[in-house]
Amino acid sequence: QVHLQESGPGLVKPSGTLSLTCAVSGGSISTGDWWSWVRQPPGKGLEWIGEVYHSGSTNYNPSLRSRLTISVDRSINQFSLKLNFVTAADTAVYYCARITYNSGSWKFDSWGQGTLVTVSS
Amino acid sequence: DIQMTQSPSTLSASVGDRVTITCRASQSINNWLAWYQQKPGKAPKLLIFKASSLESGVPSRFSGGGSGTEFTLTISSLQPDDFATYYCQQYHIYRTFGQGTKVEIK
Repeated sequence: QVHLQESGPGLVKPSGTLSLTCAVSGGSISTGDWWSWVRQPPGKGLEWIGEVYHSGSTNYNPSLRSRLTISVDRSINQFSLKLNFVTAADTAVYYCARITYNSGSWKFDSWGQGTLVTVSS
Repeated sequence: DIQMTQSPSTLSASVGDRVTITCRASQSINNWLAWYQQKPGKAPKLLIFKASSLESGVPSRFSGGGSGTEFTLTISSLQPDDFATYYCQQYHIYRTFGQGTKVEIK
């Protein structure tokens, strides 16, 4: 069973860059799966941020695309998120997740525990 | 962008009740819809994929239905462990979540 673990600073200053990493264990990142980021502001709903394939191909939420970079490092089995020019609205719990193809469908079947990132001076 | 609208936002129910949550898409998503359960402080858990397929290990009291733009999640007999927030998600074009439905104790 694949395990995902997010890591990164819990506090980022406004206008700065939010950087997170997701370490994948129990399986290779270089499979037919996609690797995704989802966030949840405190007390609010889920928002898909984007996803990356092991080749480096990406899909981004159009509302975040101009500030967003998601990348993969196959050598250390992890993928990363960078979000530029953050504001208080980017304060959220950030989850990484695996999107796998099984039983005729893509699905978010494995999730990290989530990490809270607060944007504040 | 595809918008997903869930109803109701909050649902008060008792153990043993049959409950249904509705999710509407702003355009057809065929059957590319998933349902997740989330408890406080925890990551979402996949319940249903491809609108009506039950994820492995999920109790059979959960079922999904619908296609096109209108979908449902039904819990046939609500159990104490089912009090949580439920989200639908489309994955026809990119991914979009509904705003969530909180199922609370009546």
